[in-house]
Amino acid sequence: GESVGLHLPTLSVQEGDNSIINCAYSNSASDYFIWYKQESGKGPQFIIDIRSNMDKRQGQRVTVLLNKTVKHLSLQIAATQPGDSAVYFCAENPTGNQFYFGTGTSLTVIP
Amino acid sequence: GAVVSQHPSRVICKSGTSVKIECRSLDFQATTMFWYRQFPKKSLMLMATSNEGSKATYEQGVEKDKFLINHASLTLSTLTVTSAHPEDSSFYICSARLQTGGAFFGQGTRLTVV
Repeated sequence: GESVGLHLPTLSVQEGDNSIINCAYSNSASDYFIWYKQESGKGPQFIIDIRSNMDKRQGQRVTVLLNKTVKHLSLQIAATQPGDSAVYFCAENPTGNQFYFGTGTSLTVIP
Repeated sequence: GAVVSQHPSRVICKSGTSVKIECRSLDFQATTMFWYRQFPKKSLMLMATSNEGSKATYEQGVEKDKFLINHASLTLSTLTVTSAHPEDSSFYICSARLQTGGAFFGQGTRLTVV
């Protein structure tokens, strides 16, 4: 499979602070990326996506940044809440329909 | 968002038996579905791509005779773990991709082989 990795396996933030989760991808041909949130014992939940013709996309409290030059993605969560505690994965789509996942970052929000 | 339903959510089976997991797209048609496997505290590993009306495409290292995939309709794909052994115990997750691009996941199936 493709190599999609995350810089930090764990991240702890204070409630109300902003969180930044990073991801490096290896295939420069990837043109579509998705961030997922996974809570314990559940399937991944779609958060936000971005195509390679964009470098930034905003959702509700979340922003994804894409730097194709260095093959880097980040997910920014504003005003992090306890309910944001989960594992976050980036996934890339290099070809066809398949998505390949990074190793995941475990986010813990401290009340 | 789109809904993908997976059943069962948990299953315990005896070693040597087979287990079938269903994945349904509830509000859209999916010509392609995907099956992933996830070990504790690990990422999702793509096992195979399930194609409606044709054979599944397996990732390198995945035994196709062990993990049988059937995609008989545009809303249903099944994964059968044949002759299950304890090392097959894992969290299995399916997903389906919309034509607009996003991929949505089922709730996952926790398989325990005893």
